[in-house]
Amino acid sequence: DTGVSQDPRHKITKRGQNVTFRCDPISEHNRLYWYRQTLGQGPEFLTYFQNEAQLEKSRLLSDRFSAERPKGSFSTLEIQRTEQGDSAMYLCASSLSDSGANVLTFGAGSRLTVL
Amino acid sequence: AQSVSQHNHHVILSEAASLELGCNYSYGGTVNLFWYVQYPGQHLQLLLKYFSGDPLVKGIKGFEAEFIKSKFSFNLRKPSVQWSDTAEYFCAVSGGTNAGKSTFGDGTTLTVKP
Repeated sequence: DTGVSQDPRHKITKRGQNVTFRCDPISEHNRLYWYRQTLGQGPEFLTYFQNEAQLEKSRLLSDRFSAERPKGSFSTLEIQRTEQGDSAMYLCASSLSDSGANVLTFGAGSRLTVL
Repeated sequence: AQSVSQHNHHVILSEAASLELGCNYSYGGTVNLFWYVQYPGQHLQLLLKYFSGDPLVKGIKGFEAEFIKSKFSFNLRKPSVQWSDTAEYFCAVSGGTNAGKSTFGDGTTLTVKP
């Protein structure tokens, strides 16, 4: 198992452009999470899926953000009409829901810079 | 709503010093508690977890943490730090059995001087 993979690792875009990030979780994990992290802060929850169902989405999340996990495997996070405030590290994590404590395994993250 | 407070933003210690990082959480029900660590250039990874049972839990690399329910605390300890413990440490909480999201604190950066 190669762990949680995220692509791209770095993305630089101009304000107003759309960006999409992809996450491939650990294959046997049924839960997939997206977090956002900025300098000096801890990971901030965005949304999570159990299989293909999106079970929770942060109320702080703008409607410019959308995530999908169409077949319960990989997931995409799209940000439309990017703003400079969207610059951050976007982290994906996966877990197994029946493992009790729901330990997260994180990917390396996708760093977004909006110019 | 869940929240996590980590008291120290940056801790600087010499090798062999003892470490204690504070973590307090806010959540009204049964909790799962975690410490994650991010070494320079690496992913976030689990250091230790509390799920149930013995409130003193041991993790990798000689770390331990104690869950004190009455104080809503889950402080991380290590009796003697090493230069290789230099990293950022995050406390996290998730609620209940088969819990969903985890909520993270803002982290503590530990620098260990050789």
